[in-house]
Amino acid sequence: GNSVTQMEGPVTLSEEAFLTINCTYTATGYPSLFWYVQYPGEGLQLLLKATKADDKGSNKGFEATYRKETTSFHLEKGSVQVSDSAVYFCALSDGYGGATNKLIFGTGTLLAVQP
Amino acid sequence: NAGVTQTPKFRVLKTGQSMTLLCAQDMNHEYMYWYRQDPGMGLRLIHYSVGEGTTAKGEVPDGYNVSRLKKQNFLLGLESAAPSQTSVYFCASSSLGPNTGELFFGEGSRLTVL
Repeated sequence: GNSVTQMEGPVTLSEEAFLTINCTYTATGYPSLFWYVQYPGEGLQLLLKATKADDKGSNKGFEATYRKETTSFHLEKGSVQVSDSAVYFCALSDGYGGATNKLIFGTGTLLAVQP
Repeated sequence: NAGVTQTPKFRVLKTGQSMTLLCAQDMNHEYMYWYRQDPGMGLRLIHYSVGEGTTAKGEVPDGYNVSRLKKQNFLLGLESAAPSQTSVYFCASSSLGPNTGELFFGEGSRLTVL
């Protein structure tokens, strides 16, 4: 079945460091891919998405490119801030629309940014 | 902007007790979902609804029941709580189904079953 694999955390970085959080997926069909972020004490919120191969999603300085050849959707940011400290979830849906599709989430990666 | 509101936010139960979690959304969304979040396991879908009066099973439905009597509300019930149901529960809603990608989540309800 469909699945998402994320790098285990925690990831600890200093402010202004470069961030990469790896995400790979297994899916049949043509999934859409997403990154969600969960700040402490809050629910998840959509960070960015890509709906087809080679698409690049971007938001708040974060980017991720849908790589079908490597089945990956790695999250990157050039210069992290303390306020980026959160748990990041990679997710996919199978791309056919409709209510029977479900978002499948990875296990989440905790990012801690130190000043 | 209320968005998705979950009540209660915290609850402690004894094994065998029952309870209901309430989710309310004010965005007129058709689709609503209940997920549970456990350490090392990410989010897993319990049940979902594609509209008022409909419900369907997700990945881990056993031990839970749901109802969607009103479009804006989605209730998650535990008839006989077990320690394995200790978790953080998240409700979410979306306008066109998960393929659009944007689920709106509540802040979560932390349930402990002793």
